Amino acid sequence: ETGVTQSPTHLIKTRGQQVTLRCSSQSGHNTVSWYQQALGQGPQFIFQYYREEENGRGNFPPRFSGLQFPNYSSELNVNALELDDSALYLCASSLLGGGNTGELFFGEGSRLTVL
Amino acid sequence: GNSVTQMEGPVTLSEEAFLTINCTYTATGYPSLFWYVQYPGEGLQLLLKATKADDKGSNKGFEATYRKETTSFHLEKGSVQVSDSAVYFCALKEAAAGNKLTFGGGTRVLVKP
Repeated sequence: ETGVTQSPTHLIKTRGQQVTLRCSSQSGHNTVSWYQQALGQGPQFIFQYYREEENGRGNFPPRFSGLQFPNYSSELNVNALELDDSALYLCASSLLGGGNTGELFFGEGSRLTVL
Repeated sequence: GNSVTQMEGPVTLSEEAFLTINCTYTATGYPSLFWYVQYPGEGLQLLLKATKADDKGSNKGFEATYRKETTSFHLEKGSVQVSDSAVYFCALKEAAAGNKLTFGGGTRVLVKP
């Protein structure tokens, strides 16, 4: 139990639709990262938010966007869904700054299927 | 750019057998190295880590040593159990990259009684 919760756990969308995934960080953590894990592959870094600002982004198009709220919870939004967006989306939280190690704690993920 | 390469699975073993999963990396700086484990239906869990050359990470009977000269971080366990059946991911993180982890493709391990 990492204290990182994600919702929904499973969802099905059709091409062209939009989706919002949610993440509640572990208490006290100020940083959240999102990863995409396609079936049978390792997770790929999408982006990271630190104190409500995006401060790192992987090789994902702008239709992948996010938010971090004052309570450090987060959303991942994906517009104009494509079939290849079908994947497990993982949220990870950590505490950066003040000499902390920044160890990541992952949620169990939201599995998105695009038809 | 950074990359992590690990042996492809699945790796099938009998209980009490010795497990090795090879991992090599390419990085521009001096990264920290990690092994994560993903049990069926669960998220990723940190198994062990090493932050500098020659460090050995260990946890739950698993070990891995940060070898800068061979850019490797091989995972080993002397006697596996059925409960070790999972997917194992090797990963690296550059100091200046915040929480950006670069993962390998994962190795599925199946331990049979």
